[in-house]
Amino acid sequence: KAGVTQTPRYLIKTRGQQVTLSCSPISGHRSVSWYQQTPGQGLQFLFEYFSETQRNKGNFPGRFSGRQFSNSRSEMNVSTLELGDSALYLCASSLAVDRAEAFFGQGTRLTVV
Amino acid sequence: GDSVTQMEGPVTLSEEAFLTINCTYTATGYPSLFWYVQYPGEGLQLLLKATKADDKGSNKGFEATYRKETTSFHLEKGSVQVSDSAVYFCALSANNAGNMLTFGGGTRLMVKP
Repeated sequence: KAGVTQTPRYLIKTRGQQVTLSCSPISGHRSVSWYQQTPGQGLQFLFEYFSETQRNKGNFPGRFSGRQFSNSRSEMNVSTLELGDSALYLCASSLAVDRAEAFFGQGTRLTVV
Repeated sequence: GDSVTQMEGPVTLSEEAFLTINCTYTATGYPSLFWYVQYPGEGLQLLLKATKADDKGSNKGFEATYRKETTSFHLEKGSVQVSDSAVYFCALSANNAGNMLTFGGGTRLMVKP
């Protein structure tokens, strides 16, 4: 069974640009969550989607957005990139509705210069 | 809001030493508790979990007991190996929060031969 796949693995962007990250969950998983990991702030929750609906959202500015498609694949978008957005972005998928085991992808390393 | 506090690292041990990584939490109701492990260059993997008070999660020689009275979920292993070197994250999933995870800051474990 394939795991959670995130693309691309690495990205370098310039301040002010926008970026789209992609996540393909494990087959059959309808819940997809996104996290930002930085050395200073640790792992912070961005948002969760379940059956194409955003169920929860973390404390991030509106520049961070996401969506989920009917096949459960998800994308997150960051507009007007700032240097502080440099981070590892992790996607996780879950089978059950809540408090379920999360299966993480390897992440997308975003560097903003 | 909900929060997780875990001991800061790095924790450096010799092979076959006893490991304890402390984790305490603040949450309303009865959250589910998790330990995740992150190896270099990888995403997070679930190590163990507990869903109610006095539950003991265990996996690969690691154990943690859900202590409601002390709001703790300390990770222990009787004899660590070099291959256990990684970053360990304590996390909770609260009631009515879908699959959203709140993470502690992470504890880096280094095991020397």
